[in-house]
Amino acid sequence: QSVLTQPPSASGTPGQRITISCSGGSSTIGSNSVNWYQQVPGTAPKLLIFSTNQRPSGVPDRVSGSKSGTSASLAISGLQSEDEADYYCAAWDDNLNTWVFGGGTKLTVL
Amino acid sequence: QVQLQESGPGLLKPSQTLSLTCAVSGGSITSANSYWTWVRQPAGKGLEWIGRIYPTGSTNYNPSLKSRVTISLDTSKNLFSLSLTSVTAADTAVYYCARDHDFYDSRGSWTGDAFDIWGPGTMVSVSS
Repeated sequence: QSVLTQPPSASGTPGQRITISCSGGSSTIGSNSVNWYQQVPGTAPKLLIFSTNQRPSGVPDRVSGSKSGTSASLAISGLQSEDEADYYCAAWDDNLNTWVFGGGTKLTVL
Repeated sequence: QVQLQESGPGLLKPSQTLSLTCAVSGGSITSANSYWTWVRQPAGKGLEWIGRIYPTGSTNYNPSLKSRVTISLDTSKNLFSLSLTSVTAADTAVYYCARDHDFYDSRGSWTGDAFDIWGPGTMVSVSS
């Protein structure tokens, strides 16, 4: 069981906006920034959002991140078929002194 | 552009020691604001952080693996290594090395760190 909780699946149609939630606690999301990773099956994860709401160079602005209290969200607007992948949230855990990940959300573009 | 490449044996027997290396190219392993990390992923499952090493040589390990893990640095070869002792079938996974990089805002304040560069991963199977 992951320290951070994500829904196992999400879906949307092309052009739609979807959000993926990530729930933690006071020692994780409540006190640290959140990162999001995108993983196409069979490939290495790719950094999608860092420091809760910052995009690395090359990530389109239709991808955004936010957090409130002990929960964080990833939003993707203008959904495209290339967005179909697994998405993982991550945060540092001040109690465990370790990075923790969510269990991952599989995004399907219908 | 910094690139990472894992290497090591793909098949181990239970109780053996897993040894992997991660070669860093396009940049120095002693760069400021960068730490070097190992993450693993069992087939069909999520990501698990194993640990990291700072350019100074100090380390952080996942408490669940701490008694079996050692991460080390070889600055002369620009690589870092993972050693995991007494492996079992539960250690079967794809192992990734990654750069854990500090990020700052426009005022120079630290905003967090993240795994911004990953190796392609290497599959390690443990079976008798």
